[in-house]
Amino acid sequence: KQEVTQIPAALSVPEGENLVLNCSFTDSAIYNLQWFRQDPGKGLTSLLLIQSSQREQTSGRLNASLDKSSGRSTLYIAASQPGDSATYLCAVRTGANNLFFGTGTRLTVIP
Amino acid sequence: DTGVSQNPRHKITKRGQNVTFRCDPISEHNRLYWYRQTLGQGPEFLTYFQNEAQLEKSRLLSDRFSAERPKGSFSTLEIQRTEQGDSAMYLCASTDPKDYGYTFGSGTRLTVV
Repeated sequence: KQEVTQIPAALSVPEGENLVLNCSFTDSAIYNLQWFRQDPGKGLTSLLLIQSSQREQTSGRLNASLDKSSGRSTLYIAASQPGDSATYLCAVRTGANNLFFGTGTRLTVIP
Repeated sequence: DTGVSQNPRHKITKRGQNVTFRCDPISEHNRLYWYRQTLGQGPEFLTYFQNEAQLEKSRLLSDRFSAERPKGSFSTLEIQRTEQGDSAMYLCASTDPKDYGYTFGSGTRLTVV
């Protein structure tokens, strides 16, 4: 069974700092990997989707990388802002119905 | 189309009562998924539909749970004889057939008292 691990579980940084969130997965036979953001008590907002054939995706201040062979992905957030405070979830898709999630990294950006 | 819509946003029910949630996916997405999320955990797969066919159910989906998608559009998730352990956020998602990216709704938070 696919296992997804996210490190660290929580992270607190001062505003303006660049930061990296880590995601690892045990089975490299994935279709794609998706990063989501979740605000407290809310649903999931998709941030970036990386297909298995891709190495990275960028959207604004966000950059996600994928190293399928080593089972790792990183989410880089540049020039963090207080509005970035949320839980960030990594999920890998291994089949038609299987999206496996990590437990998330709770990010706090201090003004 | 404004995305995946879920109703209600919150539901408080007494133990033993039945509850039903609704999900309206993005119209051109033919796959629809239900997930459950408890506090501090990532979402866990419950079931999924391709059009109106329910193709897989997780072992998490006990016989008190039933999901339908009668016309291949909206879906309902019913929980019968609710228990306190059913308290969770129930998330619905649909996937873009072009890239299989998931779009989630805002969820229904169920509290069983």
